[in-house]
Amino acid sequence: GAVVSQHPSRVICKSGTSVKIECRSLDFQATTMFWYRQFPKQSLMLMATSNEGSKATYEQGVEKDKFLINHASLTLSTLTVTSAHPEDSSFYICSAAPGQGETEAFFGQGTRLTVV
Amino acid sequence: SQQGEEDPQALSIQEGENATMNCSYKTSINNLQWYRQNSGRGLVHLILIRSNEREKHSGRLRVTLDTSKKSSSLLITASRAADTASYFCAKNGAGNMLTFGGGTRLMVKP
Repeated sequence: GAVVSQHPSRVICKSGTSVKIECRSLDFQATTMFWYRQFPKQSLMLMATSNEGSKATYEQGVEKDKFLINHASLTLSTLTVTSAHPEDSSFYICSAAPGQGETEAFFGQGTRLTVV
Repeated sequence: SQQGEEDPQALSIQEGENATMNCSYKTSINNLQWYRQNSGRGLVHLILIRSNEREKHSGRLRVTLDTSKKSSSLLITASRAADTASYFCAKNGAGNMLTFGGGTRLMVKP
């Protein structure tokens, strides 16, 4: 199946700093990628839809100035958590899929962010 | 936002037993998907069942879909310790955006 690579897998940062997470589709092009957030023992919540060459679409309640998304190429989307605070500590996961139809999605390995 | 509920939230069984997880959703679907997540990892796709299908099999996995009740179930037969994971149902939205159920944490004891 298709491969989505996410990096880094773990990051610890100090409060007030910014962290960039990369999501790459390795063997297909993705005009759309999705960013999810997951708190311990909870489900995945969609944060935003990353659109290649245009602005991301954010879900209600997600601050676009805090979670900057850039999708500059058909194989790479980045999520930058700006001015991180301890409450931003979470598991962030991206997904993408070849084509536009409703098919299975392929997920990155996830990034465990800890803000201290 | 989550569209569905899953039950049970947690399930603990012995190796060799069957595990059944249920998912309910609120709005109409074109298809429903099931994913598995090992602790601290990304999700792995298990099965996609379309709205005109009632049952689908993949190895030890069996998924059923009842669109009149807006519910689906995932059955894992002859469970193994390696099946220990969280299982999520998910509904497709625009493109391949997914809305997930709450998930079931399955523990299979050796």
